Amino acid sequence: EIVLTQSPGTLSLSPGERATLSCRASQSVSSSYLAWYQQKPGQAPRLLIYGASSRATGIPDRFSGSGSGTDFTLTISRLEPEDFAVYYCQQYGSSPPETFGGGTKVEIK
Amino acid sequence: EVQLVESGGGLVQPGGSLRLSCAASGFTFSSYWMHWVRQAPGKGLVWVSRINSDGSSTSYADSVKGRFTISRDNAKNTLYLQMNSLRAEDTAVYYCARRGAVAGTGLGYWGQGTLVTVSS
Repeated sequence: EIVLTQSPGTLSLSPGERATLSCRASQSVSSSYLAWYQQKPGQAPRLLIYGASSRATGIPDRFSGSGSGTDFTLTISRLEPEDFAVYYCQQYGSSPPETFGGGTKVEIK
Repeated sequence: EVQLVESGGGLVQPGGSLRLSCAASGFTFSSYWMHWVRQAPGKGLVWVSRINSDGSSTSYADSVKGRFTISRDNAKNTLYLQMNSLRAEDTAVYYCARRGAVAGTGLGYWGQGTLVTVSS
């Protein structure tokens, strides 16, 4: 089973600042089948990034993903008020299980 | 418009059983693999199970293997999760989800979730 470790656990930033979230895998994620999701309280997750760097439909270009192998990053270039939420990475390239990371909460400083 | 609507959650005693349903609409249900993902109160997302498009292949997280069974009825456009021998640690919101239409994409469509509470 591939274990995904997200860091930091909480990121305290102000609107307009840049957010950099990390996701490290315990072994290589095949074909960069790495996704990022955003979740707000009481809502289902929303797909932001798939294939490590491709934005899902309707996702603003301030969200970008990068990385390969075992190290992946989600960057939010300039935080908008609606971006304060919890973010999860997920790998879906290996044999099951398709694991999620523990999440990073981006909170208003 | 793609819609996924879960139902069947509720309060159940430890050791009991529950069957969740996920009614799908707005797409050709029989063409897509489907997933169940859960989230315990205040905790992170946990992938639970998946089933291929015709129901012939299934996979499970180790934590539910042997207790949960995923299935589907393509004629009814419905996904199921049969949960047996339930434990307190199975308490969670259960989401059904589907990948997006683009090959290699993540889980682009989610239901609103149904809450399962395992308690005496």
